[in-house]
Formats: sequence, structure tokens, C-alpha cells
Amino acid sequence: NAGVTQTPKFQVLKTGQSMTLQCAQDMNHEYMSWYRQDPGMGLRLIHYSVGAGITDQGEVPNGYNVSRSTTEDFPLRLLSAAPSQTSVYFCASSTEGVGSYEQYFGPGTRLTVT
Amino acid sequence: ILNVEQSPQSLHVQEGDSTNFTCSFPSSNFYALHWYRWETAKSPEALFVMTLNGDEKKKGRISATLNTKEGYSYLYIKGSQPEDSATYLCAFTYGVNRKLIWGLGTSLAVNP
Repeated sequence: NAGVTQTPKFQVLKTGQSMTLQCAQDMNHEYMSWYRQDPGMGLRLIHYSVGAGITDQGEVPNGYNVSRSTTEDFPLRLLSAAPSQTSVYFCASSTEGVGSYEQYFGPGTRLTVT
Repeated sequence: ILNVEQSPQSLHVQEGDSTNFTCSFPSSNFYALHWYRWETAKSPEALFVMTLNGDEKKKGRISATLNTKEGYSYLYIKGSQPEDSATYLCAFTYGVNRKLIWGLGTSLAVNP
């Protein structure tokens, strides 16, 4: 049981490049989400999904796309990277919504956009 | 704008000291309060999820209490050990859509 896995762990992009951050979980969790962590700010929700085929925007969705074709995978796409997207990205999953269920976090992806 | 406040921002204690931190949140539309522990270079791990006013939860030397009427939760660590050094995050779930708002955390350093 690997839990929540994320790839890559580190990535450097040039402004304007696109890329996909991968997230997978093997716990059969319905709810998955993407956060970004920036210095001096709390974790901020980018996008989330309550099940395969269903996604919705979080607090800071601009510049990011997601899809959820399977229960296991929830990739995050950066369409045209900008320096403001330099951050640490965490994927998380939980049994159902975040209401009263603990979330399981992946190890994070540290992204630098130059 | 709904906000979760954690205090203190950081704390240095000696091994063996007991300590506690506070998480303050809006008391309206409360659904749940979460505590997570986040060690450097790792990812956050859930400690407790509490939903009822007066709830108390315990895991080893760590315990938490919840007061939803006044909008605060305390996290206690008894007999701190160096391995307790981490950032302790709280998050508050509210509203019919169960939105989750995160605090900035309390950074704890336990000196041996």
C-alpha cells in the first residue's frame, strides 16, 4: 500500500512551458485535491474532485487544469507556467469529503518557474 | 474572509517540558476541526479530527480539546521529545459545502 504518490519530486520550468504533475492513490479514496504551499501562507486549495469524472475549483484555480478519469489518478496541469506558480504542490486524498475525514498527503512536488 | 489563527507562531521548549498551542476559528457554520503534524521535508499527517463541542482526543502524549461555541481548540503535548519537533497545523471545515480553511501552523522545536 503506497498511499499517495506524486511525481516528479522536483521540477524547474521556464516561463510559458506546460507540464503535468502526477498524483495517484491506492486507497480507493473518492476525494482528491491539490494544494499549493507558499511561504507565509496556509495551504491553499487549487482544485478538488469528489469522484471519477467530477472536478471543481478551489481557492486558487487560475492557470491550472485537472481531470479525474479514474479513482486512482488526479493529475494537475500547468497550462503556461509563470513565476507566480513557483511553489510546493501537495496532492491529498480522503475517504469522502474533507468534512470530518482525515486527508492523506503525498510527498509534494517542488516546482520552480524561471 | 474566514480565517484560522494559530498561536504562538513558533515555540522552543526543552525536552520533557509540556506545551500547548491554540487554534482559533469562526464559531458559525462549524463542521469539523482538524489537527495535522508536519515534519520538515515530509508531508502533513493527520493527528485528530473533531466535530463535537467538548470533544477531547488523545494519541500517546498528544491530546486536543475543542470548544465550538467560542471557536477554539487546544493541542497539548506532554513531556515533549525532540521527535515532536514539527509544525502543527489546524484546519477548520465549515458550511454546507464543507470548505476547509488552513491555519499557518505553530512551529515547535524541542531541544534535547
